[in-house]
Amino acid sequence: QKEVEQNSGPLSVPEGAIASLNCTYSDRGSQSFFWYRQYSGKSPELIMFIYSNGDKEDGRFTAQLNKASQYVSLLIRDSQPSDSATYLCAVTAARQLTFGSGTQLTVLP
Amino acid sequence: DAGVIQSPRHEVTEMGQEVTLRCKPISGHDYLFWYRQTMMRGLELLIYFNNNVPIDDSGMPEDRFSAKMPNASFSTLKIQPSEPRDSAVYFCASSLQGPTEAFFGQGTRLTVV
Repeated sequence: QKEVEQNSGPLSVPEGAIASLNCTYSDRGSQSFFWYRQYSGKSPELIMFIYSNGDKEDGRFTAQLNKASQYVSLLIRDSQPSDSATYLCAVTAARQLTFGSGTQLTVLP
Repeated sequence: DAGVIQSPRHEVTEMGQEVTLRCKPISGHDYLFWYRQTMMRGLELLIYFNNNVPIDDSGMPEDRFSAKMPNASFSTLKIQPSEPRDSAVYFCASSLQGPTEAFFGQGTRLTVV
């Protein structure tokens, strides 16, 4: 079983819609949760992090964490074509930052 | 700050040759990570250092891979001898406080033919 699971996609949404990206993790001791965005041919870029249960909002991005369900999600409101990228979920466990395989998002103009 | 700097950006080498990848972390960051990314396996942690000391190298695939961090501003990842299956993008990342928010370099795309 992978430690961090994501749907690989591709996920397509129309411009202006809400994109919902999901991630589950296996280690109940995980404490920190991150979302990275990676454009094709580029390096991962940190866009959000969340440590506590609940929601955390930053502009058009909202991270949601539910530790009981071992579930973390990223919502992108008013999606733009420039949001088209692969989104990587990352979790700290056993003193390591472990990445999921990523979800490819395409925002259609 | 210029961010994490990796060199070279691209490397093409023949099977059996030695390859050395280089990384300069962000100044003041105590943690340095080497990752490998492939389509099949995604982003995998190879090794990480804290204050120049290797902490966990369990992700290093085999003895052909070695990593060093002689000082706080420089690290190398060496593959000797290289094989075609080592072809991947190798990322170096650094962070201020452990496996938290890591900042990535631009990566080195390695092709072994």
